[in-house]
Amino acid sequence: AQTVTQSQPEMSVQEAETVTLSCTYDTSESDYYLFWYKQPPSRQMILVIRQEAYKQQNATENRFSVNFQKAAKSFSLKISDSQLGDAAMYFCAYRPRYSGGGADGLTFGKGTHLIIQP
Amino acid sequence: GAVVSQHPSRVICKSGTSVKIECRSLDFQATTMFWYRQFPKQSLMLMATSNEGSKATYEQGVEKDKFLINHASLTLSTLTVTSAHPEDSSFYICSARGDLNTEAFFGQGTRLTVV
Repeated sequence: AQTVTQSQPEMSVQEAETVTLSCTYDTSESDYYLFWYKQPPSRQMILVIRQEAYKQQNATENRFSVNFQKAAKSFSLKISDSQLGDAAMYFCAYRPRYSGGGADGLTFGKGTHLIIQP
Repeated sequence: GAVVSQHPSRVICKSGTSVKIECRSLDFQATTMFWYRQFPKQSLMLMATSNEGSKATYEQGVEKDKFLINHASLTLSTLTVTSAHPEDSSFYICSARGDLNTEAFFGQGTRLTVV
């Protein structure tokens, strides 16, 4: 079974600074997707960034970038120029690219609560 | 991005009754829909995966007779919590994915309170 581990229950960063959220995962699959989701107090899940395991290049979306280390099974999220609106729970998630039996939902980590200090 | 609408956003029901939650994909055909449960300050746990026109696949430990899932069309999936009890109180979130999508899109969630 796949597992996703987020070892930081809470992180705090000053506004305009950079913060990195860590995520490790365990899988026997070679082809899969990794995601970072943001969940603000409204509890709406918002996709922040996505990485395909077969791509060596790290994904980037504006101020958000990842450091994907496939051999180490590590997938960290870097948020540059942190803004007050970035405050939320951040979840790392995994799913295999192909699955048997029709069950291929996301496996989530426990989340990291990100606090932005003004 | 694609829009997924979940209804109701909040529901309170009496113990022993059933409650239905709807999940609709508004601008795409959702061949696969997922149902998650999230307890306060915890992560999302996958309950089941449903493919249009076929029976849902439930995760281990999820009672299929208690959580009935129907995915009768490419735009609608429903989750019915039968004979609800206070321990079923939780936040339920659906997501939907089309054939051409890598990621699934999430609904707004439903806060269920059983009294």
